[in-house]
Amino acid sequence: GAVVSQHPSWVICKSGTSVKIECRSLDFQATTMFWYRQFPKQSLMLMATSNEGSKATYEQGVEKDKFLINHASLTLSTLTVTSAHPEDSSFYICSAYPASGYLYEQYFGPGTRLTVT
Amino acid sequence: AQSVTQLDSQVPVFEEAPVELRCNYSSSVSVYLFWYVQYPNQGLQLLLKYLSGSTLVKGINGFEAEFNKSQTSFHLRKPSVHISDTAEYFCAVTLYGGSQGNLIFGKGTKLSVKP
Repeated sequence: GAVVSQHPSWVICKSGTSVKIECRSLDFQATTMFWYRQFPKQSLMLMATSNEGSKATYEQGVEKDKFLINHASLTLSTLTVTSAHPEDSSFYICSAYPASGYLYEQYFGPGTRLTVT
Repeated sequence: AQSVTQLDSQVPVFEEAPVELRCNYSSSVSVYLFWYVQYPNQGLQLLLKYLSGSTLVKGINGFEAEFNKSQTSFHLRKPSVHISDTAEYFCAVTLYGGSQGNLIFGKGTKLSVKP
């Protein structure tokens, strides 16, 4: 089946530093990837839609300059949290769907837990 | 706008007992409906989906769900649960025929199966 990986699986960084999270589709090409954020005991909230070769589309309330998204290839999207603060600590999950598939056939990565100290 | 409500945040149940996880949605247009499962420290896995056709949908691991348009519900059921079913379950919707494809999730229901 379709597999999506994320790296790293967890990361601890100091306040004010930046951290990059990678999302890769391992066995299919994905023109679109989604980035979600999950707070403890809460649902996943869509942050942005990442389109290969174009600018990401951010949801209302998500700071574009803080959460930089780059979808440089059909198998890789990256999320960079710039100048991270403790309130950015969360579980970040990406999903992707095959370029030849349907929009509802999303495959999810295992998530990245970010802790900002 | 669409929204999803999962009425129970936690559902404890004994092994081999039946279980129902409730999901209601709100939308002014037609939607696709999904149930995902998240095991500890893992990503989301699709259990089943309703796109059209028969309102009773069967998924993996013995789960099934029934779409009820009049009650705007999509409850998940399993006649006999196992310890291995312990996980977080998320109900989600996306717009029928939508071009964006983003999913709107409920807050999740934590199923705890006890021996």
